[in-house]
Amino acid sequence: RKEVEQDPGPFNVPEGATVAFNCTYSNSASQSFFWYRQDCRKEPKLLMSVYSSGNEDGRFTAQLNRASQYISLLIRDSKLSDSATYLCVGLDNTDKLIFGTGTRLQVFP
Amino acid sequence: DAGVIQSPRHEVTEMGQEVTLRCKPISGHDYLFWYRQTMMRGLELLIYFNNNVPIDDSGMPEDRFSAKMPNASFSTLKIQPSEPRDSAVYFCASSLVSASTDTQYFGPGTRLTVL
Repeated sequence: RKEVEQDPGPFNVPEGATVAFNCTYSNSASQSFFWYRQDCRKEPKLLMSVYSSGNEDGRFTAQLNRASQYISLLIRDSKLSDSATYLCVGLDNTDKLIFGTGTRLQVFP
Repeated sequence: DAGVIQSPRHEVTEMGQEVTLRCKPISGHDYLFWYRQTMMRGLELLIYFNNNVPIDDSGMPEDRFSAKMPNASFSTLKIQPSEPRDSAVYFCASSLVSASTDTQYFGPGTRLTVL
């Protein structure tokens, strides 16, 4: 089993839609989780950290479910500019960041 | 403030040649990371440094790969000899004070093609 697994998508959604991605992780001891965003042929950039209590940043909400070992990202009112690949990130058992292979989102008009 | 700087942005070389990738981290950042990204395997950590000292190189694929950080503002990743399977995008990233809890800032990457 991969340490961090994501559905590669693509998720094709219309503008204004709500879309959610899940990501499962295998290291139950991981204390840090993140979502990074990567535009086509660009570098990854931090979108948001994921806290145990969940956190929200504008249209974006991240949740952590330790019992089921998954994290989620919810995007409300999707914009064309949200089209990108979203990388789920956790820690391996040596506390190094482990990136998922990404979920591709395409928002269409 | 300038972000992480990498050079070259693109590199095309022939199998067997030596390739050197360069990185300048964000000033003041204590950690520097080298990653490789391919479609099949995603983003993989190769090696990381703390205060110029290599901490974990377990991700370096084999002896053909080596990395150095002679000072706080410069690092190199060298592949010698290069092979077609080394074709990938190589990212350098830096973070301020932690390898696991801090934001990592990525450079624009070097797109390497080995023919």
